[in-house]
Amino acid sequence: TQLLEQSPQFLSIQEGENLTVYCNSSSVFSSLQWYRQEPGEGPVLLVTVVTGGEVKKLKRLTFQFGDARKDSSLHITAAQTGDTGLYLCAGNSGTYKYIFGTGTRLKVLA
Amino acid sequence: GAGVSQSPSNKVTEKGKDVELRCDPISGHTALYWYRQRLGQGLEFLIYFQGNSAPDKSGLPSDRFSAERTGESVSTLTIQRTQQEDSAVYLCASSLMGPTYSYNEQFFGPGTRLTVL
Repeated sequence: TQLLEQSPQFLSIQEGENLTVYCNSSSVFSSLQWYRQEPGEGPVLLVTVVTGGEVKKLKRLTFQFGDARKDSSLHITAAQTGDTGLYLCAGNSGTYKYIFGTGTRLKVLA
Repeated sequence: GAGVSQSPSNKVTEKGKDVELRCDPISGHTALYWYRQRLGQGLEFLIYFQGNSAPDKSGLPSDRFSAERTGESVSTLTIQRTQQEDSAVYLCASSLMGPTYSYNEQFFGPGTRLTVL
C-alpha cells in the first residue's frame, strides 16, 4: 500500500517567517502534486513536479521533488496570513489513481 | 458556473437512513473522482469514473456505498443505511484526462459535509 506521510501535521507561525513542510513515502512516484485547501472549499492545485531533483518556484513558494522521487518539500518564504490553509501532497504512479498525504495544517498569525 | 459543483453542501441525517450526494463536473471532463475527507485528515480515494464507467471501485468502504455517472456528466454517490462513521466531507473532482496521468489537474468541488446522528 502506497502511503504519503506529511510533516509537521500542524504549524503555527508569525507572518514574515519562513517554513518548510515535507511529504515522504517509501514508494516511488511518477509525479507529485501539491494542493492547498481552505475551509469549506475543495483543494486547489499549486504545482506538479515530475523529474527527480526538480525545483519549481511559485512566487514565495518553492517546491522540490526528491532525487529518488519518493519525497517532496514545500518551502514558503516570508509567510503571509493568506498562506493559511491545509497543504496536501498527492502522488501519482502513472495511473489514474492519486494517493493523497495526511496534510499539514498551516496557520499564519498577523 | 465553470467549476465543479456539489449538492447538498450540508446534509444531516439519522443513522440508518439513505443519502444521495450529487456532483456536477466541469463540462467536457471525462474523468471524475470521489474522495472522503474525515475531520482534519487527508483525502481517501473512493471511486474513479472514466466516462460513465467505473474501472476501480476498490476504494468504496463497504457495499453500502455505490456510485453512478450518466451522460459522462453528473455523478451521484449513494450511501445506504448510514452509520455514524460515515460522517465526513465527500469531495468530487473532475479532470480532463490527457495522455499522461502525471500532469492531470483535478478540479475539486466544495464538498458535501455529511453528518450522521
